[in-house]
Amino acid sequence: EDQVTQSPEALRLQEGESSSLNCSYTVSGLRGLFWYRQDPGKGPEFLFTLYSAGEEKEKERLKATLTKKESFLHITAPKPEDSATYLCAVQAGTGRRALTFGSGTRLQVQP
Amino acid sequence: DVKVTQSSRYLVKRTGEKVFLECVQDMDHENMFWYRQDPGLGLRLIYFSYDVKMKEKGDIPEGYSVSREKKERFSLILESASTNQTSMYLCASSSSGDTQYFGPGTRLTVL
Repeated sequence: EDQVTQSPEALRLQEGESSSLNCSYTVSGLRGLFWYRQDPGKGPEFLFTLYSAGEEKEKERLKATLTKKESFLHITAPKPEDSATYLCAVQAGTGRRALTFGSGTRLQVQP
Repeated sequence: DVKVTQSSRYLVKRTGEKVFLECVQDMDHENMFWYRQDPGLGLRLIYFSYDVKMKEKGDIPEGYSVSREKKERFSLILESASTNQTSMYLCASSSSGDTQYFGPGTRLTVL
């Protein structure tokens, strides 16, 4: 059974204080790992897809990396508008089209 | 730009009512998905469809059915709503690739 575990559950940072969110996974042949951002009461917004170990992707203050067992979402010099829940999901290489999601990390960035 | 819309942002229904949740995508995607999101449980797959009139059960299909008569539209049906179906319902779509794009969600309350 595919599993995704995200840590920490919640994280409070000061503006400008860089940190990383972790996503550990077990999956039958990884087809892709996805990061989403979700604001309260809204649907998840797509951020990144990673396909193979060693791959990295960046967008503004966010950088996602991937190893064979986990992914990190690095947040550099965060701003209050980066406050959100960040979701990690995996898609297995078994042909299953659906994603398996972690429970998310609630990030709060204080000015 | 990617666009997934859901018929209602908020819905209040009574126990035993039949409930229809509608989702429309304008990206000509083959795959469409219905998830529910509950605190502490993350996103869980209810049903998905990989083509018109084709559907597959997800992880928690009990109490739900779906309909896909046109490629752009995917409906979730609660045959007889119960209080344990109070939740946030999220629709997503994807092409034969991987990235799923989500709608804004429907917050359903069953009294």
